Amino acid sequence: DAGITQSPRHKVTETGTPVTLRCHQTENHRYMYWYRQDPGHGLRLIHYSYGVKDTDKGEVSDGYSVSRSKTEDFLLTLESATSSQTSVYFCATKLAVSADTQYFGPGTRLTVL
Amino acid sequence: GENVEQHPSTLSVQEGDSAVIKCTYSDSASNYFPWYKQELGKRPQLIIDIRSNVGEKKDQRIAVTLNKTAKHFSLHITETQPEDSAVYFCAAHFGNEKLTFGTGTRLTIIP
Repeated sequence: DAGITQSPRHKVTETGTPVTLRCHQTENHRYMYWYRQDPGHGLRLIHYSYGVKDTDKGEVSDGYSVSRSKTEDFLLTLESATSSQTSVYFCATKLAVSADTQYFGPGTRLTVL
Repeated sequence: GENVEQHPSTLSVQEGDSAVIKCTYSDSASNYFPWYKQELGKRPQLIIDIRSNVGEKKDQRIAVTLNKTAKHFSLHITETQPEDSAVYFCAAHFGNEKLTFGTGTRLTIIP
């Protein structure tokens, strides 16, 4: 599982509050990704990082921001949570641009009331 | 944009029979196609993958086939067992950095 942890594992929050999810990896992988998983939609990419301070948007980036100040940590922030952001969030990592496999973290279940 | 379609969305098969899940992709430049298995409440885990220079790959009871001309690839599970029950996702690499996933197939093995 490439030594990937996510925190918190579960969170319930209210509409309009800020939320930050953390992904931590111990494998020195260059690439890190944030996905959301919703029924009928599979896994959709929110943002990804290809190095410290290097990030790019995915297909569903609106309402989300990310930061990566260290190789091992990738933070996902919902500035003002909405009910449509209720989902399961997965972090994934990949060793390098030449590598293929993405390894997933255990996921964070977020409920926005 | 990049698109991966996956069918069927649900599949039930008798234990011991075979299961086939199919995916199509939009970008002819895609060169890497992984399959992930996700058990209930767990993380997706890679079970098999194939690169575009190979037409078929096998690993025990699972195999993946790729038809580059038609832009589709399939997962085959033979001699299915109860522990094969899970959601399966196909994906395709677009560029070298990102994967686009299909919407998943819920496979149920009937004892």
